[in-house]
Amino acid sequence: NAGVTQTPKFQVLKTGQSMTLQCAQDMNHEYMSWYRQDPGMGLRLIHYSVGAGITDQGEVPNGYNVSRSTTEDFPLRLLLAAPSQTSVYFCASSLLAGEGEQYFGPGTRLTVT
Amino acid sequence: AQSVSQHNHHVILSEAASLELGCNYSYGGTVNLFWYVQYPGQHLQLLLKYFSGDPLVKGIKGFEAEFIKSKFSFNLRKPSVQWSDTAEYFCAVNDGSWGKLQFGAGTQVVVTP
Repeated sequence: NAGVTQTPKFQVLKTGQSMTLQCAQDMNHEYMSWYRQDPGMGLRLIHYSVGAGITDQGEVPNGYNVSRSTTEDFPLRLLLAAPSQTSVYFCASSLLAGEGEQYFGPGTRLTVT
Repeated sequence: AQSVSQHNHHVILSEAASLELGCNYSYGGTVNLFWYVQYPGQHLQLLLKYFSGDPLVKGIKGFEAEFIKSKFSFNLRKPSVQWSDTAEYFCAVNDGSWGKLQFGAGTQVVVTP
């Protein structure tokens, strides 16, 4: 099992550009989520999905879109990148949304200039 | 809205010293509690979790945590730290609802030889 994989590992964007952060898991987990990690603020939930075709907003969804067409993949789209979106982004998955341990990907470090 | 507070943002201690990291949450109902660790340059890994039963839970690498319901606390402990315990530690709380894992701001622990 590869677990949770994320690409790219690093990305630099200019303000106004768009891009997609990729996330995939091979554990057949129903639940997937995206977090951003900023110094002194821990991890904040951006969007999550409880299964293919079902997504919902987390704590900080503005400026991000997600979709879940398959169980394995959960891409995060930045529509118009802003410097405030400079952060480290982690994707996670778990078997059960409420009680399950979440498995995290290695992260994507994004810088928006 | 539920929140998670970690008492210390930065802790420095010597090898063989004891470690205790505080975590308090604000939610009155049933909760699931987690401690995650992030070693330098790595993604988050689960240290331990509490769902129900014995309030003293043991995790990996000699860590343990005690759930005190009356104090809304879930403090992490290790009797004798090693240099390899240098990492950032995150407390997280889930109230069992879909996708709502709330993280604390994290505590950076530095263990000096």
